[in-house]
Amino acid sequence: GIQVEQSPPDLILQEGANSTLRCNFSDSVNNLQWFHQNPWGQLINLFYIPSGTKQNGRLSATTVATERYSLLYISSSQTTDSGVYFCAVEPIVGANNLFFGTGTRLTVIP
Amino acid sequence: ETGVTQTPRHLVMGMTNKKSLKCEQHLGHNAMYWYKQSAKKPLELMFVYSLEERVENNSVPSRFSPECPNSSHLFLHLHTLQPEDSALYLCASSRNSARSPLHFGNGTRLTVT
Repeated sequence: GIQVEQSPPDLILQEGANSTLRCNFSDSVNNLQWFHQNPWGQLINLFYIPSGTKQNGRLSATTVATERYSLLYISSSQTTDSGVYFCAVEPIVGANNLFFGTGTRLTVIP
Repeated sequence: ETGVTQTPRHLVMGMTNKKSLKCEQHLGHNAMYWYKQSAKKPLELMFVYSLEERVENNSVPSRFSPECPNSSHLFLHLHTLQPEDSALYLCASSRNSARSPLHFGNGTRLTVT
């Protein structure tokens, strides 16, 4: 199946700092989604972004489908940004299935 | 986000018990999913229902039995589980297939003793 790799696996930031999270995938995809899982386990959909760039407040995401990667930018980080960030892709072959990466664990310290 | 509600939040069961997990979505979506999240592993898709028909069964053992009586409700019936089945079980929904944004519930933390 498709491989989804995220980097870095762990990231510690001072509050107010910026960061970039990366998601690489091994095959062509129909769509890509970014999620944030908070410390209580709740997964929130951040972006549905098969290609191009989207922005939502302090977060933005860019997917370059032809080069098989996506980036999630977090600016002016806050302690509430802590948690695990997952990307998930739907391969062109094998629809109805999202494949998740192992995530980037972000800790924002005051 | 309260669009997808899961109960119970926590469950402890013995290997011989029978229990059920419940999921309800209030988003008007047509597809519902069960995912399993174990420590140190990516989320694993278990089942997909689209318009109340099961369209995906990802080689899940028969001790897990899903049920989708209508497009708003999804159950996962559990029977004779093993300790390695302990995990966070997440329900999700989307407007159509995986080509729509996925919305998750809070999950059920299951411990099998």
